[in-house]
Amino acid sequence: NAGVTQTPKFRVLKTGQSMTLLCAQDMNHEYMYWYRQDPGMGLRLIHYSVGEGTTAKGEVPDGYNVSRLKKQNFLLGLESAAPSQTSVYFCASSQAGVYNEQFFGPGTRLTVL
Amino acid sequence: AQSVAQPEDQVNVAEGNPLTVKCTYSVSGNPYLFWYVQYPNRGLQFLLKYITGDNLVKGSYGFEAEFNKSQTSFHLKKPSALVSDSALYFCAVRVPFTGGGNKLTFGTGTQLKVEL
Repeated sequence: NAGVTQTPKFRVLKTGQSMTLLCAQDMNHEYMYWYRQDPGMGLRLIHYSVGEGTTAKGEVPDGYNVSRLKKQNFLLGLESAAPSQTSVYFCASSQAGVYNEQFFGPGTRLTVL
Repeated sequence: AQSVAQPEDQVNVAEGNPLTVKCTYSVSGNPYLFWYVQYPNRGLQFLLKYITGDNLVKGSYGFEAEFNKSQTSFHLKKPSALVSDSALYFCAVRVPFTGGGNKLTFGTGTQLKVEL
């Protein structure tokens, strides 16, 4: 099993450009999450999904949109990138249930100039 | 609001010595606590969790954590550190809410450096 994969691994954008980050998991997990990691701030939840066709806002959702059209995929979109969105983005997935640990992808390093 | 604090940005320890990475929590209700490790340029890996029961939780790679309700702490420990344990460690707490999902609030991380 590949686990959780993310594409691309690196990306540089100019302010105002748009892009989509793709997350895929092959563990048949119900729940999926998008986080951003910034120095000294830990991980912060952007959006999450508890099943195919459902999404919800996390802690820092502004400037991002998500879609979960297929159970195994969770897309994170930036419609108009800003320098404040320079970060490392992690996708994670977990089984349904409140006690289950999350499995993380390798991350995408995004720089917005 | 649920939160965790990791009071040390960095912990240095000699190989073979015991290590402790500290975490304190603030939650309403029962705490569900997790430890994750992040190696350079990698995603987070799950180490262990406390849900209920025994206060000493054993996890991956020889790590364990001690839950202390009176001190609201969940410190990560290992009896004998290895150089390969050098990494960034995150404590996290589940945020209870309605609607499903398993939202976690993470601490700011502690960099562990194990030296020969």
